[in-house]
Amino acid sequence: EPEVTQTPSHQVTQMGQEVILRCVPISNHLYFYWYRQILGQKVEFLVSFYNNEISEKSEIFDDQFSVERPDGSNFTLKIRSTKLEDSAMYFCASRFLRGANQPQHFGDGTRLSIL
Amino acid sequence: GIQVEQSPPDLILQEGANSTLRCNFSDSVNNLQWFHQNPWGQLINLFYIPSGTKQNGRLSATTVATERYSLLYISSSQTTDSGVYFCAVIQGAQKLVFGQGTRLTINP
Repeated sequence: EPEVTQTPSHQVTQMGQEVILRCVPISNHLYFYWYRQILGQKVEFLVSFYNNEISEKSEIFDDQFSVERPDGSNFTLKIRSTKLEDSAMYFCASRFLRGANQPQHFGDGTRLSIL
Repeated sequence: GIQVEQSPPDLILQEGANSTLRCNFSDSVNNLQWFHQNPWGQLINLFYIPSGTKQNGRLSATTVATERYSLLYISSSQTTDSGVYFCAVIQGAQKLVFGQGTRLTINP
């Protein structure tokens, strides 16, 4: 079964540094998402992306965050200047169709630790 | 926005027991998914179930959309069923809104 792949599985970064989290969505999927889960809390939506642009973003997704689909397969989340509170598990997800009843498929996550 | 409430927050059972996890949501939804988060943090997609009943082995789920709730049943629990179970819904827009989860511990 096709999978969403995320790399790295664990990233440790100094506060103030830039970090890029990478995702390879399922190949024929059209809608892409990033979610965040702070340790011990629920999963929160960050951003959705379709047709090479952001379609929706949450209040968490401020100017420090950006997303990009640099080629036909990768989908990245960049945090420009990391803060301690950015420490969390970051999940990428993808879905085939919008509006139709299709589930979102999640990757295994990247655990980001800011020191 | 839509509210998603899961109960109970914590559940401790002996291996072999059955359990029912509940998810209530505050408005009509287009999509509902159940996930199992294992001890390594991975989110495993269990069911996509906006309405009706589905079964997969020892697990089954029922969503009654008109009454705004969904139930996840786990029969003959095993220690590998331990973890956090999340319900998540979509209302109109694309984003999934997650509940706080039910932490299930199965003791041998």
